[in-house]
Amino acid sequence: GAVVSQHPSWVICKSGTSVKIECRSLDFQATTMFWYRQFPKQSLMLMATSNEGSKATYEQGVEKDKFLINHASLTLSTLTVTSAHPEDSSFYICSARDTAGASGTYEQYFGPGTRLTVT
Amino acid sequence: AQKITQTQPGMFVQEKEAVTLDCTYDTSDPSYGLFWYKQPSSGEMIFLIYQGSYDQQNATEGRYSLNFQKARKSANLVISASQLGDSAMYFCAMTSRQMGKLIFGQGTELSVKP
Repeated sequence: GAVVSQHPSWVICKSGTSVKIECRSLDFQATTMFWYRQFPKQSLMLMATSNEGSKATYEQGVEKDKFLINHASLTLSTLTVTSAHPEDSSFYICSARDTAGASGTYEQYFGPGTRLTVT
Repeated sequence: AQKITQTQPGMFVQEKEAVTLDCTYDTSDPSYGLFWYKQPSSGEMIFLIYQGSYDQQNATEGRYSLNFQKARKSANLVISASQLGDSAMYFCAMTSRQMGKLIFGQGTELSVKP
């Protein structure tokens, strides 16, 4: 149980185009999902917290107009990188928290990640 | 402020030996959780072990154990009987009731030598 999928697993796009990444919780409902970005040999940096049915909460320094997040259902959150540039090339990982998880447990379940390359 | 620190960028260990990966944290929230994740070159985050702030005993999961020293605010990961497949990045992470989100340490790259 507790599987999170991401699609696509990798994508190459041209500079100036937009790319959408999907994050799905396959066997549980997730009121809250998280989006992380990771550069090579570095740690995961939280970009935003996505809440079903409401606006995402972005971390300081993350451009909300560039990284659009939509959490339209309890099993799906999407991250759209708008007008992508080479510096947006990175590994994007989502995670989801089980809404029905026992109180006091904080575990998040991670997707396999999406490798974005902008040329 | 909430903070989590891993001071070992890279570690080497001989196959079949034990290794300890260090992690210290700082939080004012009395209710928090500590995690260790393994990230192989494929990029997936593999959950290894969890320790809650109110847990009386150190967490163990197979070859993984967490040396939780609350007063010192440390949560070191011990891997016993290292295997070649243990070579990967290891991340310590923390969340709290106050924070509601997971923050990660800088990571430690573990290399297991045959």
